[in-house]
Amino acid sequence: DVKVTQSSRYLVKRTGEKVFLECVQDMDHENMFWYRQDPGLGLRLIYFSYDVKMKEKGDIPEGYSVSREKKERFSLILESASTNQTSMYLCAVAGTRYQPQHFGDGTRLSIL
Amino acid sequence: QQPVQSPQAVILREGEDAVINCSSSKALYSVHWYRQKHGEAPVFLMILLKGGEQKGHEKISASFNEKKQQSSLYLTASQLSYSGTYFCGSVIQGAQKLVFGQGTRLTINP
Repeated sequence: DVKVTQSSRYLVKRTGEKVFLECVQDMDHENMFWYRQDPGLGLRLIYFSYDVKMKEKGDIPEGYSVSREKKERFSLILESASTNQTSMYLCAVAGTRYQPQHFGDGTRLSIL
Repeated sequence: QQPVQSPQAVILREGEDAVINCSSSKALYSVHWYRQKHGEAPVFLMILLKGGEQKGHEKISASFNEKKQQSSLYLTASQLSYSGTYFCGSVIQGAQKLVFGQGTRLTINP
């Protein structure tokens, strides 16, 4: 089974801070995804990456950026955190963008 | 482009059956089903690719209609362990990514 590790389960930051969320996989899969999960809205795709240094915007990329310098690691960056970015963030990994996705446990981020 | 799930929430007694629907206005390339228990990561259940396809385990199965615009997840003789939020994810034909529905919260009571 794929192991997807997110760096923090809970994180509290202040408005305006630059925030880094890290995701690491152990299976050498090409595709990695960042979602945010909010009640009643399901899982919404922020960004995904299909190879090292390659990325594509998802449905809600505003206010976020990503970095993938190594195949196993995919970082989500909140350039200047705002309170409306308080949410659960989930990282996922897949062999191709259409194959089943394997999720990390999530990071519950609170912006004060 | 987000698929529409119905119902939004279901409450059942142990042993009862449930059906969760996932609909799209456009033909789909595939449908994925996931379950997320409270406080845990979503877990993949199954994927359907062909119109008219039915697949799954004994008590959890899914179908994909011929037009490939609707999928249904069937939970038969539900167990307490089935509680959680179920998500469908759809890939629209010609699109490049999976889009998830808003989720259906299933509660099983003893």
